[in-house]
Amino acid sequence: DAGVIQSPRHEVTEMGQEVTLRCKPISGHNSLFWYRQTMMRGLELLIYFNNNVPIDDSGMPEDRFSAKMPNASFSTLKIQPSEPRDSAVYFCASSLDRDYYGYTFGSGTRLTVV
Amino acid sequence: AQSVTQLGSHVSVSEGALVLLRCNYSSSVPPYLFWYVQYPNQGLQLLLKYTTGATLVKGINGFEAEFKKSETSFHLTKPSAHMSDAAEYFCAVSDLGGGADGLTFGKGTHLIIQP
Repeated sequence: DAGVIQSPRHEVTEMGQEVTLRCKPISGHNSLFWYRQTMMRGLELLIYFNNNVPIDDSGMPEDRFSAKMPNASFSTLKIQPSEPRDSAVYFCASSLDRDYYGYTFGSGTRLTVV
Repeated sequence: AQSVTQLGSHVSVSEGALVLLRCNYSSSVPPYLFWYVQYPNQGLQLLLKYTTGATLVKGINGFEAEFKKSETSFHLTKPSAHMSDAAEYFCAVSDLGGGADGLTFGKGTHLIIQP
């Protein structure tokens, strides 16, 4: 299994531009999570999907952030418009069972907004 | 709601010495507990987990952790540190109460190995 695949690995964009981050979870996993990691705030859960349905998006910082999971093998996290304070590493993780097995994380997307 | 406290944002040990990374949790239900490791520029990798049964859990790379309910702790240990153990370590607790939070992570402990 190739694991959780995220793309791109690095993204540099100008303030105000739209940014789309992509995630392919492990086949058969039914839960998908988007996390943001910064030095100041650590790991923050942004949104959680179960069976492709958004369950909790209370961690999404603002309306500029949106996430979709159109099918079991693909999810996107979009920021529009992007701001410098959005600069962080964004991780996608998937799990077969949300609680029991823990999560498998992707390698992350390092986003820099200038 | 559950929470996790990792004591010490940085821990430094000499190569060959005992590694002890501390984790305390709070949970209103019997927890599932996890330790993850993050190497530079990589995602988090599961080291070990406690779900049910034996309270001493062995993981990868020679690490182990013991669940102590009375102390609400899940400290991570390794008898002899290796330079390759230098990384960020995260403790996490699962909310089994059906809440949507999933895993709650601690702030992380940066492990430094001195030669």
